[in-house]
Amino acid sequence: DSGVTQTPKHLITATGQRVTLRCSPRSGDLSVYWYQQSLDQGLQFLIQYYNGEERAKGNILERFSAQQFPDLHSELNLSSLELGDSALYFCASSDSPSAFEATGELFFGEGSRLTVL
Amino acid sequence: GDSVTQMEGPVTLSEEAFLTINCTYTATGYPSLFWYVQYPGEGLQLLLKATKADDKGSNKGFEATYRKETTSFHLEKGSVQVSDSAVYFCALHTGTASKLTFGTGTRLQVTL
Repeated sequence: DSGVTQTPKHLITATGQRVTLRCSPRSGDLSVYWYQQSLDQGLQFLIQYYNGEERAKGNILERFSAQQFPDLHSELNLSSLELGDSALYFCASSDSPSAFEATGELFFGEGSRLTVL
Repeated sequence: GDSVTQMEGPVTLSEEAFLTINCTYTATGYPSLFWYVQYPGEGLQLLLKATKADDKGSNKGFEATYRKETTSFHLEKGSVQVSDSAVYFCALHTGTASKLTFGTGTRLQVTL
């Protein structure tokens, strides 16, 4: 158990819909990362937050947005869903803003599997 | 930009066989290198890491050596077990980035 909790574990929805994925980081971790894992693109970095502020942005679509709340949990919002958005979405946390000044380790949740029909 | 290339899977081995999973990278500067493992139904977890050239990371019988001259970080294990069946990801981080760049992953299946 990594200590990172993601909900829901599975989600099935239709094209055009909007969903919200939730992540609770490990206790004490200020930094949260979102990754998308799909069969054809591998593991893609989406976005990072540190203590409520956006720290780095990767290949995140404009239809997607994220935020980190004062209690440090984070949400990833996916809207106007398309078939190609079907993937496993991972949240990870670390105990430093860059993740590599301390242990150099990210702690991953078990992921939220999104299926768009 | 930074990138990681891993050998395609799946890799199927018999128990006690020798394992090598190749990983090469392209990066600006001097990256830190990682191997993560994803067991079925779980998230990724760090297996080992190396932060500078010629460093050897090791854990649970797995080893990888940071080779700057060949830009490689191949994962090896002398004798695999069925419990090693998982997907293995090579990853890198450079000092100017706050994210890990992952390879596409290599699925390992170990049979009795």
